[in-house]
Amino acid sequence: DIQMTQSPSSLSASVGDRVTITCRASQTISTYVNWYQVTPGKAPKLLIFSASILQTGVPARFSGSGSGTDFTLSISSLQPEDFATYYCQQSYSTPTFTFGQGTKVEIK
Amino acid sequence: QVQLVESGGGVVQPGRSLRLSCAASGFTFSSHPMHWVRQAPGKGLDWVAVISEDGTNRYYADSVKGRFSISRDNSNNTVFLQMNGLRSDDTAVYFCARDRGYGGNPFDHWGQGTLVTVSS
Repeated sequence: DIQMTQSPSSLSASVGDRVTITCRASQTISTYVNWYQVTPGKAPKLLIFSASILQTGVPARFSGSGSGTDFTLSISSLQPEDFATYYCQQSYSTPTFTFGQGTKVEIK
Repeated sequence: QVQLVESGGGVVQPGRSLRLSCAASGFTFSSHPMHWVRQAPGKGLDWVAVISEDGTNRYYADSVKGRFSISRDNSNNTVFLQMNGLRSDDTAVYFCARDRGYGGNPFDHWGQGTLVTVSS
């Protein structure tokens, strides 16, 4: 099974900060990584697919990069609505999928 | 617009069964694989099961294999999750999600979830 390891598990940041979250796969997975935002009480939201493609309607301050085993999600200037938990997901082993353990972004 | 609305959650005793439903609207339901994903209290997202567009192919996480069954009714735009032999570690919010079906298979639309609590 492919494991996805995110870091950090949580971080504190201020509005306007640049934030970077990393995700490492246990084996090479090309660019088969998607990123999601989860806010309590709301439907999870797709942000980035295929490692670097911004989903329609997602603000351009979100970006993704990486290939092989190492991937990053960046938020260029953190906004109040961005305080949430972020998950990477591998879709290389479709039809089964694996999520990372999540990174909680909190207000400093 | 795309909408996914889950229902059927509740409190159930260990060993009992529960059937979740997810009503879809706003898109051609029969053109997309559909997933169930869960989130236990204080934990992360955990993929549970997927069903192909026409319902002929179904796959499960090892943790639910043999106990849970996913199905769909394309005439009524609904996907189901039959959960048997429930255990306390099945307690979670259960989300249904649409698979885009190509280009990395992202889950591009999700419902708001339904809470399942397994407790005596």
